[in-house]
Amino acid sequence: GENVEQHPSTLSVQEGDSAVIKCTYSDSASNYFPWYKQELGKRPQLIIDIRSNVGEKKDQRIAVTLNKTAKHFSLHITETQPEDSAVYFCAARLGDSSYKLIFGSGTRLLVRP
Amino acid sequence: DTAVSQTPKYLVTQMGNDKSIKCEQNLGHDTMYWYKQDSKKFLKIMFSYNNKELIINETVPNRFSPKSPDKAHLNLHINSLELGDSAVYFCASSQGIGEKLFFGSGTQLSVL
Repeated sequence: GENVEQHPSTLSVQEGDSAVIKCTYSDSASNYFPWYKQELGKRPQLIIDIRSNVGEKKDQRIAVTLNKTAKHFSLHITETQPEDSAVYFCAARLGDSSYKLIFGSGTRLLVRP
Repeated sequence: DTAVSQTPKYLVTQMGNDKSIKCEQNLGHDTMYWYKQDSKKFLKIMFSYNNKELIINETVPNRFSPKSPDKAHLNLHINSLELGDSAVYFCASSQGIGEKLFFGSGTQLSVL
């Protein structure tokens, strides 16, 4: 069935270090992979996304990589700052006509000053 | 100007009551959604409408009924509320189906 697995569930890094969050998906026809950031008590907000015809995308300190063969994608945050502390969600859009967006279970990132 | 606004922000009610949550978007998007976020922060899609037509209807109890009077509005009515309905409910909208979702600020529903 439709499933997106996300690891780790919690991640603690020192300010300035890099953070990597990984997701795997089950539907090989999935074609769109966004990442959302949710600060405490706030709404999820899109931070970066990638389509299935692209292997990597970068936006300043944030990058996403996609391996379609292995059906996994990752979020990389470099030079982490305390304001990066939040819950991060990966998601995959199904490739069938439903275009349903399935979210991973979230990663709580803590950046220690 | 809030892009996706939902009301109320907090809803505290007794078991068995009926309640509604309203959502409006001013982005001109064609697609709107309801997501439920449980206490473990898991985000699960409930419904999606595209141009007022229901396109996604997940395995949700039929006590939950969405209504889209026009493509800028998607309301959620819940009958006979149960303890397990307690969660944060997020409305969202997007231009393309299932991509670049803009979320509302959420409605925290507490059923006592």
